[in-house]
Amino acid sequence: GEDVEQSLFLSVREGDSSVINCTYTDSSSTYLYWYKQEPGAGLQLLTYIFSNMDMKQDQRLTVLLNKKDKHLSLRIADTQTGDSAIYFCASKGGGATNKLIFGTGTLLAVQP
Amino acid sequence: AAGVIQSPRHLIKEKRETATLKCYPIPRHDTVYWYQQGPGQDPQFLISFYEKMQSDKGSIPDRFSAQQFSDYHSELNMSSLELGDSALYFCASSPDSSTDTQYFGPGTRLTVL
Repeated sequence: GEDVEQSLFLSVREGDSSVINCTYTDSSSTYLYWYKQEPGAGLQLLTYIFSNMDMKQDQRLTVLLNKKDKHLSLRIADTQTGDSAIYFCASKGGGATNKLIFGTGTLLAVQP
Repeated sequence: AAGVIQSPRHLIKEKRETATLKCYPIPRHDTVYWYQQGPGQDPQFLISFYEKMQSDKGSIPDRFSAQQFSDYHSELNMSSLELGDSALYFCASSPDSSTDTQYFGPGTRLTVL
């Protein structure tokens, strides 16, 4: 079945760039998403990318997609302590299903 | 901007009891999704509805049922609760657009004692 994998933990210093990586298996994925979850809170949509794009930039966020390798990354420029959270990537399959398959989540810890 | 509303935000039940979770989608969103997130886990898709009809089904136990009403709100009914049902239950809604981007509610934290 479909699978989405992420590294579990990333620690960076405030002001540095963070890069969170994600790999997925479903080659028919049409859209790929990044969600942010703070402790005990809901899932906040950060950005998404369509599968025929290879890059999308939105303020401090840059998404890179390598469709051949099924690799997605989220770069956060000038990381702030408020960026500390769990980041989930999610893929939406092709065809009739619209369900999201989530990755395992990456805990981003920003050190002041 | 209006967001997805879920109620209650917290719910405590005993084993074998029933629970009903409610979800009110963003206005003009006609698709609702339910996800379950166990402690330290990623969200798992349960079920979805489009225009009041079930559109997709995931790993939802037979003890659970859900429906979408004429005003597009949805309810997740859970019976014979088990300790393992303790989780955060998210509802998401999406408009009928090409991206079908899902916007999540704050979740209902269910604790089964």
